[in-house]
Amino acid sequence: EPEVTQTPSHQVTQMGQEVILRCVPISNHLYFYWYRQILGQKVEFLVSFYNNEISEKSEIFDDQFSVERPDGSNFTLKIRSTKLEDSAMYFCASRKKSWYAANEKLFFGSGTQLSVL
Amino acid sequence: GEDVEQSLFLSVREGDSSVINCTYTDSSSTYLYWYKQEPGAGLQLLTYIFSNMDMKQDQRLTVLLNKKDKHLSLRIADTQTGDSAIYFCAESTPNTGNQFYFGTGTSLTVIP
Repeated sequence: EPEVTQTPSHQVTQMGQEVILRCVPISNHLYFYWYRQILGQKVEFLVSFYNNEISEKSEIFDDQFSVERPDGSNFTLKIRSTKLEDSAMYFCASRKKSWYAANEKLFFGSGTQLSVL
Repeated sequence: GEDVEQSLFLSVREGDSSVINCTYTDSSSTYLYWYKQEPGAGLQLLTYIFSNMDMKQDQRLTVLLNKKDKHLSLRIADTQTGDSAIYFCAESTPNTGNQFYFGTGTSLTVIP
């Protein structure tokens, strides 16, 4: 089965530093997402991306966050100045079609555990 | 906003049935999903149900939807040690477009 790949699996950074989390979605997918899960809390939607632009974003996704698809394969999440509360597992996901085609699965990567010290 | 709630932990003996429960608040939910996360892995879609259905069965998995009570359950028959994982309930609605709303996940431990 095709996979969404995320790197690194673990990232430790100092507060105030910039981090870039990387994802390689499945090659023929068109919709890309970032979610995060703070330990013991829910998986939260951050942002969706389609046709080289953000299609939706949550309240969490403030000016400190940005996403980019720098080439035909990578999809990145950048946090400009990390805060302690950004520590979480960050999941990238992709799907082929839009949400109403429920039989088109949302494929998730295995996540990047970000620890901000 | 949408709210999806699950209990955090469940333990069952190997061979027994497991029932994982989920409640949600958005009555306009269109699709409800169950995802499984094994250690070190991503979220894997197990099954989904459309909101006009009451039940869906797929091999050892049975999904029950009580739309009136906004209650979703996942039953795993003949639970095996390989079923030990975290199970997430999620919903999507016309109001949320591309967003999925997830619960906290239920950690299922299968005791040999």
